[in-house]
Amino acid sequence: ILNVEQSPQSLHVQEGDSTNFTCSFPSSNFYALHWYRWETAKSPEALFVMTLNGDEKKKGRISATLNTKEGYSYLYIKGSQPEDSATYLCAFNFGNEKLTFGTGTRLTIIP
Amino acid sequence: DGGITQSPKYLFRKEGQNVTLSCEQNLNHDAMYWYRQDPGQGLRLIYYSQIVNDFQKGDIAEGYSVSREKKESFPLTVTSAQKNPTAFYLCASSILISGTEAFFGQGTRLTVV
Repeated sequence: ILNVEQSPQSLHVQEGDSTNFTCSFPSSNFYALHWYRWETAKSPEALFVMTLNGDEKKKGRISATLNTKEGYSYLYIKGSQPEDSATYLCAFNFGNEKLTFGTGTRLTIIP
Repeated sequence: DGGITQSPKYLFRKEGQNVTLSCEQNLNHDAMYWYRQDPGQGLRLIYYSQIVNDFQKGDIAEGYSVSREKKESFPLTVTSAQKNPTAFYLCASSILISGTEAFFGQGTRLTVV
């Protein structure tokens, strides 16, 4: 079983503050790295799928970076809002294979 | 509306009974997956299928079975051999097995009593 590790497990952030969290994955035979947002009572939704080393993607106030050589990705949220409260899942394709998920980072925005 | 549908949302079964969870997608995706989530844990892969009539075991396949007779459908059977079947089950699909985003159903919460 290939390990995808996310840190921290949970995070409380004041509304308006910026935050970031980490996903670590095996650097060998990398194919793709995914970020998903999972809000309570909803289905997980894709934020980004990243394949190239050095890739940076942005969607509104959320952005992500990818370092395939050292095996990590950062997700950044700028100016946190209450609607950002969710669990953020990182997932990894090893080679041309199935998607393996980390345990997630549970983010709570404090109004 | 294109999407992926799981049914039912909640399911109760007696211990020792097999139960089948439904997953249907109309996104024309080749790949489909079943994940299980337990409290405090991430999504663990049970089975996946890259194409019709083909499927592979994931990391925790013991006690489960699947079929993929149609592109749109990937039902999961939780058998009596599964020692801890009570969990939240999520189905997902994607265009390809890797490198493309996965779309998820709403999930089925199975409780075995």
